[in-house]
Amino acid sequence: AQSVTQPDIHITVSEGASLELRCNYSYGATPYLFWYVQSPGQGLQLLLKYFSGDTLVQGIKGFEAEFKRSQSSFNLRKPSVHWSDAAEYFCAVVLYTGTASKLTFGTGTRLQVTL
Amino acid sequence: DTAVSQTPKYLVTQMGNDKSIKCEQNLGHDTMYWYKQDSKKFLKIMFSYNNKELIINETVPNRFSPKSPDKAHLNLHINSLELGDSAVYFCASSHQGAIAGPHYEQYFGPGTRLTVT
Repeated sequence: AQSVTQPDIHITVSEGASLELRCNYSYGATPYLFWYVQSPGQGLQLLLKYFSGDTLVQGIKGFEAEFKRSQSSFNLRKPSVHWSDAAEYFCAVVLYTGTASKLTFGTGTRLQVTL
Repeated sequence: DTAVSQTPKYLVTQMGNDKSIKCEQNLGHDTMYWYKQDSKKFLKIMFSYNNKELIINETVPNRFSPKSPDKAHLNLHINSLELGDSAVYFCASSHQGAIAGPHYEQYFGPGTRLTVT
């Protein structure tokens, strides 16, 4: 089935360290991919998205992600993490049902930042 | 200005009751969604309306009924609430909900935490 997988349930990094959150997709065609962030008690906020073109996508809050077709991956990166980045991060892919498009989310990665 | 708003933010009720959650978006989008997020943070789509027409109806109990009075509003009514309905419910909206294109992005509301006792 077409889906996304986030292998890491929980990641802890020190403030100022670099970050990479993994996302693997299973999809026949070129996927539309997204990264969302959910801060505690909040809704989801879009960080970045990939539709086509340049495989390195820049997003908000200093995040970027790279689409690698050969590895079926769309990993999220940030060079220097801030304490405020502590949150739940979700990778998602658009699936077309035949009548509608819908987002299918991964199980999320909880990021903890230590000072 | 709030883009996607939901009311109420918290809802505590007893089993067997009927309750509604309201959602409004002021983004001019043509498609709206309801998601359920369980205690493990797993997000699953429940329904989607495009221009007031139901286009996604996942395997959700019949006790859940969405209603879209216009493109800017999508409400969720739940009958005979059960303990397992306890979750956070998110509303979202987007353009191009029928066939996603380059402008396809879903904007989420703040969520409604439903607790059934």
